[in-house]
Amino acid sequence: DVKVTQSSRYLVKRTGEKVFLECVQDMDHENMFWYRQDPGLGLRLIYFSYDVKMKEKGDIPEGYSVSREKKERFSLILESASTNQTSMYLCATYRQGDEKLFFGSGTQLSVL
Amino acid sequence: GENVEQHPSTLSVQEGDSAVIKCTYSDSASNYFPWYKQELGKGPQLIIDIRSNVGEKKDQRIAVTLNKTAKHFSLHITETQPEDSAVYFCAASRGGGATNKLIFGTGTLLAVQP
Repeated sequence: DVKVTQSSRYLVKRTGEKVFLECVQDMDHENMFWYRQDPGLGLRLIYFSYDVKMKEKGDIPEGYSVSREKKERFSLILESASTNQTSMYLCATYRQGDEKLFFGSGTQLSVL
Repeated sequence: GENVEQHPSTLSVQEGDSAVIKCTYSDSASNYFPWYKQELGKGPQLIIDIRSNVGEKKDQRIAVTLNKTAKHFSLHITETQPEDSAVYFCAASRGGGATNKLIFGTGTLLAVQP
């Protein structure tokens, strides 16, 4: 089965810090996504990547950037963390044939 | 762009009862409607999906119905069990590739009381 691994389950950072969230997949999927999950708001797309070094903004890209230097790894970067970026972050890959998303277990980020 | 509304936000049922979660969408070009289940401490997992060329799809105790005219679709869980307790998300997209992004509903927390 597809495995999507997010490097940290819980993360606590200070306001203004640069934060890296890492995601690794083992199924050679071309498309990878970063979502943010907040109570009452569901899953909102931050950025996605459809190939190495290719990226596209999602619905809420402000304050975030991404990096995809290798096919299996997709990183989300908070250039200067703010308290309103406290949230659960979910990484996902996309299987082309049946359009199925495979999610990691998430990283709960707290910015103090 | 697409907008997906999901109701109710919370649902509590007795074990053995049925549960129904409803979603409406705004983009008439949407043709792919998946449902994801998120258990505590885990990422969402696809449990069932439906495309616009069918009106209903079943998989054991779960079923999804689609009304294209009214632009709404529903998840039905029969004979609920405690392990059905989770957050459920509906979603909609135009399908045909990752660039036609899925838009998710706001989620329903289902609690099945033993």
